[in-house]
Amino acid sequence: GDSVTQMEGPVTLSEEAFLTINCTYTATGYPSLFWYVQYPGEGLQLLLKATKADDKGSNKGFEATYRKETTSFHLEKGSVQVSDSAVYFCALSESQGGSEKLVFGKGTKLTVNP
Amino acid sequence: SQTIHQWPATLVQPVGSPLSLECTVEGTSNPNLYWYRQAAGRGLQLLFYSVGIGQISSEVPQNLSASRPQDRQFILSSKKLLLSDSGFYLCAWSVRGSTDTQYFGPGTRLTVL
Repeated sequence: GDSVTQMEGPVTLSEEAFLTINCTYTATGYPSLFWYVQYPGEGLQLLLKATKADDKGSNKGFEATYRKETTSFHLEKGSVQVSDSAVYFCALSESQGGSEKLVFGKGTKLTVNP
Repeated sequence: SQTIHQWPATLVQPVGSPLSLECTVEGTSNPNLYWYRQAAGRGLQLLFYSVGIGQISSEVPQNLSASRPQDRQFILSSKKLLLSDSGFYLCAWSVRGSTDTQYFGPGTRLTVL
């Protein structure tokens, strides 16, 4: 079945550092790709998405590009802030039975220190 | 705008006791609904999803069950909790057929002692 592999954390950075969280996927079709963020004690929030190859999703300074040739969707941010501390999940959509199911990576915990 | 509610926010239950977690969605009709569990140190596990009233698909065999008595209500239940049922339970919804983005509720933290 479809799967998502993302870099294991935890990742600890200083404020204003550059962030990359790697994500690769395996899929039989042409899934949409997502990054979700989970702040402590909360549910997941959609951070960004891309629906086809070469699309770039962006939000709040984060970016990720759908790379079909390398089956990747790496998350980047040029300058992280303390408020970016959270767990980040990469996911792909898997269509089955009329319901779009999401397949998640295991999550990467990011801590940004002042 | 659409909102999703879950309750209770936290719950501590003894082993062998029953469970009922509720999720409701406002501001949309005919949503797809999902239950996930997030165990400590592990990723998200899809437990159940539903494309309509009374239509439930189970992803993982276990002692949990789900029901959808109304269009925008999704309930997760157990007759007898196990220690391994501890975790963070998340409900999510998506617009049926038109988009693949899922929107998550705030979650319920369940501790089974």
